[in-house]
Amino acid sequence: EVELVESGGGLVQPGGSLRLSCAASGFTFSLYSMNWVRQAPGKGLEWVSYIGSSGDNTIHYVDSVKGRFIISRDSAKNSLFLQMNSLRDEDTALYFCVKGMGYCSGGSCYNWFDSWGQGTLVTVSS
Amino acid sequence: EIVMTQSPATLSVSPGERATLSCRASQSVNSHLAWYQQKPGQAPRLLIYGASTRATGIPARFSGSGSGTEFTLTISSLQSEDFAVYYCQQYNNWPPYTFGQGTKLEIE
Repeated sequence: EVELVESGGGLVQPGGSLRLSCAASGFTFSLYSMNWVRQAPGKGLEWVSYIGSSGDNTIHYVDSVKGRFIISRDSAKNSLFLQMNSLRDEDTALYFCVKGMGYCSGGSCYNWFDSWGQGTLVTVSS
Repeated sequence: EIVMTQSPATLSVSPGERATLSCRASQSVNSHLAWYQQKPGQAPRLLIYGASTRATGIPARFSGSGSGTEFTLTISSLQSEDFAVYYCQQYNNWPPYTFGQGTKLEIE
């Protein structure tokens, strides 16, 4: 059974940094793309970042976090990370670690989100 | 960026009745559309991918249809555990992956 367990959230002042971690188990972590998706309190879902499977260096970010957040993975430790710098009030949210599933065809890849962790809460406030 | 619009924002339905939720994309996403269910205090759960394929373990009362820009999630006979918020998400043109704003399905 797939399990994704996030950690590292907390209260941080604007301009501060946090590093989120996600421990994955129950599947061959290196073979799958991974994502971070966030949900502000009482709001909907927002995709934040993508990292391809091991060996695929593809990384993407939503525009609002480009230059501030860095996604990475350690397949030896079955772990996903999100380094969050220069945090803003609007980054306050529950951050979910999400496993991608899908396929590639004609040079494009199509991935949906088939497993989600329970999330870790990041609160940015002075 | 593809904008996903869900309607209605809130849907009130009685248990045992049928619920129909809509999702519209601002441009064609082919069949690269997923639906998720989220209950209070829980993570989202994948229901449907490829616009119409049920994820593992999802009951047959959940069905998805549509392609291009218009999609529907139908729950044929509502059970008490189905009352939740539902999101659609496109994965055709990315980044970014984009979600609809959600439809809250509540008990009438």
